[in-house]
Amino acid sequence: DAGVTQSPTHLIKTRGQQVTLRCSPKSGHDTVSWYQQALGQGPQFIFQYYEEEERQRGNFPDRFSGHQFPNYSSELNVNALLLGDSALYLCASSYQGGNTIYFGEGSWLTVV
Amino acid sequence: AQSVSQHNHHVILSEAASLELGCNYSYGGTVNLFWYVQYPGQHLQLLLKYFSGDPLVKGIKGFEAEFIKSKFSFNLRKPSVQWSDTAEYFCAVTSRSNDYKLSFGAGTTVTVRA
Repeated sequence: DAGVTQSPTHLIKTRGQQVTLRCSPKSGHDTVSWYQQALGQGPQFIFQYYEEEERQRGNFPDRFSGHQFPNYSSELNVNALLLGDSALYLCASSYQGGNTIYFGEGSWLTVV
Repeated sequence: AQSVSQHNHHVILSEAASLELGCNYSYGGTVNLFWYVQYPGQHLQLLLKYFSGDPLVKGIKGFEAEFIKSKFSFNLRKPSVQWSDTAEYFCAVTSRSNDYKLSFGAGTTVTVRA
């Protein structure tokens, strides 16, 4: 049973560039959430996707956007990268109405 | 403001010592409570969760947590730690008042010395 998978695992981008991170949810899950975990901090909720729509959003600027595909996989896009966007980006999946969330290993983004 | 607070930033223990990590939350109403663990180089894993019922919850690897509603607390405990318990521990909460978004504390780094 595949868990939550994310790609890429590590990447380095330059300020002002754009990045796309990808996530495949755990088998049977239809809801995908994205979190940002800065060094030394707990994960912060970015947004959640269900039925290909953004359902909830945390306190993140519009530079952060996402998409969910019919197969429930998801992308996180960040435009106009800032140094402060350097963090571990976590994808989590669940099924709608379920209470337990499973996390992927994350994508480490470094902005230089 | 609604928040999750973990009191200890870094805890250092010797093997066989007892561990207790504090977690307090400020969300009103019904809450769902979680403890996650992140071992070095690994993804977040669920240790245990509380939704309702017995406030003493047992999880994996010998961990347990107690929900005390009057104190808005959900402290994590383990009677005797092992070197392999070295990890970062996160308390998390979902609440109807927060649209059931999973909100995390800042985490506690636990270092167990052999």
